[in-house]
Amino acid sequence: QITLKESGPTLVKPTQTLTLTCTFSGFSLSTSGVGVGWIRQPPGKALEWLALIYWDDDKRYSPSLKSRLTITKDTSKNQVVLTMTNMDPVDTATYYCAHSSPHPVLRVWGQGTLVTVSS
Amino acid sequence: SYVLTQPPSVSVAPGQTARITCGGNNIGSKSVHWYQQKPGQAPVLVVYDDSDRPSGIPERFSGSNSGNTATLTISRVEAGDEADYYCQVWDSSSDHQSVFGTGTKVTVL
Repeated sequence: QITLKESGPTLVKPTQTLTLTCTFSGFSLSTSGVGVGWIRQPPGKALEWLALIYWDDDKRYSPSLKSRLTITKDTSKNQVVLTMTNMDPVDTATYYCAHSSPHPVLRVWGQGTLVTVSS
Repeated sequence: SYVLTQPPSVSVAPGQTARITCGGNNIGSKSVHWYQQKPGQAPVLVVYDDSDRPSGIPERFSGSNSGNTATLTISRVEAGDEADYYCQVWDSSSDHQSVFGTGTKVTVL
């Protein structure tokens, strides 16, 4: 059974850097064809794709946010970390991580974590 | 960047058929994936690669894709199908990114 869980701060101040961790089980990120993606959803709004990291360490980012995002993986810990710099109130959203296989299908999602940006 | 357009809402009576469209330039040349999201819950994959269903998804959910429109069809609609639905594609043009549609709220009357 594949499960994923997001963790990180629930409140960040404007201009700060957000660091979110996705801890997963039931699959290995060293298996060919597997990836983990990040998606966010502002309250009452649509899903927005952020980034994806693959088993071979290939990384893809949303062009509109690329300058602010970094995605990394720790295969030994079964974790994927997303950092987003220069946070703004408009970045307030629920952030999800999801298992991707085959690319780019988001087959299993975490429960999500709400991040509020406010001073 | 690539844009996917969905109708904001679709209303359907129980037992009838709901059709949710996802419009995009030559979307028929891409693989389309569909997600269901109920209030307060994470999205769930219901159709992938235009028309395939993950295990555990009822046969009532089906998909098609041609030209500039992809369609998710829910047959014999039940009250439990009331949710938001999102389409998704991979844009392998210059951006190499995944794109979600604008979302459709399905209301069961």
